[in-house]
Amino acid sequence: DIQMTQSPSSLSASVGDSVTITCRASQSISPHLNWYQQKPGKAPKLLIHTVSSLQRGVPARFTGSGSGTDFTLTISSLQPDDFATYYCQQTYTSPYTFGQGTELDIK
Amino acid sequence: QITLKESGPTLVKPTQTLTLTCTFSGFSLSTNPLGVAWIRQPPGKALEWVAVIYWDDDKRYSPSLRGRLTITKDTSKNQVVLTMTSVDAVDTGTYYCAHQSYPNQHSDYWGPGILVTVSS
Repeated sequence: DIQMTQSPSSLSASVGDSVTITCRASQSISPHLNWYQQKPGKAPKLLIHTVSSLQRGVPARFTGSGSGTDFTLTISSLQPDDFATYYCQQTYTSPYTFGQGTELDIK
Repeated sequence: QITLKESGPTLVKPTQTLTLTCTFSGFSLSTNPLGVAWIRQPPGKALEWVAVIYWDDDKRYSPSLRGRLTITKDTSKNQVVLTMTSVDAVDTGTYYCAHQSYPNQHSDYWGPGILVTVSS
């Protein structure tokens, strides 16, 4: 299985800040890297697919980048609605593994 | 409009078989290149991809659960069924089904999830 490692595991930030979450794969997976946002008690929501393609309806303050094994999700100008847990997922090969998650909370 | 919803038992005894149904609308699993996947999440833990079935009846399973899982589809009912045998307390969690796009395989539509507890 391809292992996905996110860092940091948790992050505190303030409204208006910019934050970056990193995801590293155990082998090259480009461009099959996706990002999801999950709020407590809710299903995950797709934010970005294929490294940098923004899902319809997702604000442009969410950007994805990277290649090979290293990827990042950047959220600029944090809004109150952005405080949640974020997961990366590789869909290069089955099983389509997720990272362990990054919990973003308000400082 | 694409929607999915999970149904099944919320309490299962250890060693029993768990059967979950995903009922969907807004797409066809018989003619369009796509899949329906199951993803689970133990309480307070990360997401775990479980299985997928594709429009052409191809199937993929998580190796860690292989041998205990069967995924099938009923295109006439717009349903996908996941069966898991010999459940244990570690199988407790919320089970989600999701529309898995093709060819990139990202899950762009999700059901609300169903919390399944394995306990005697």
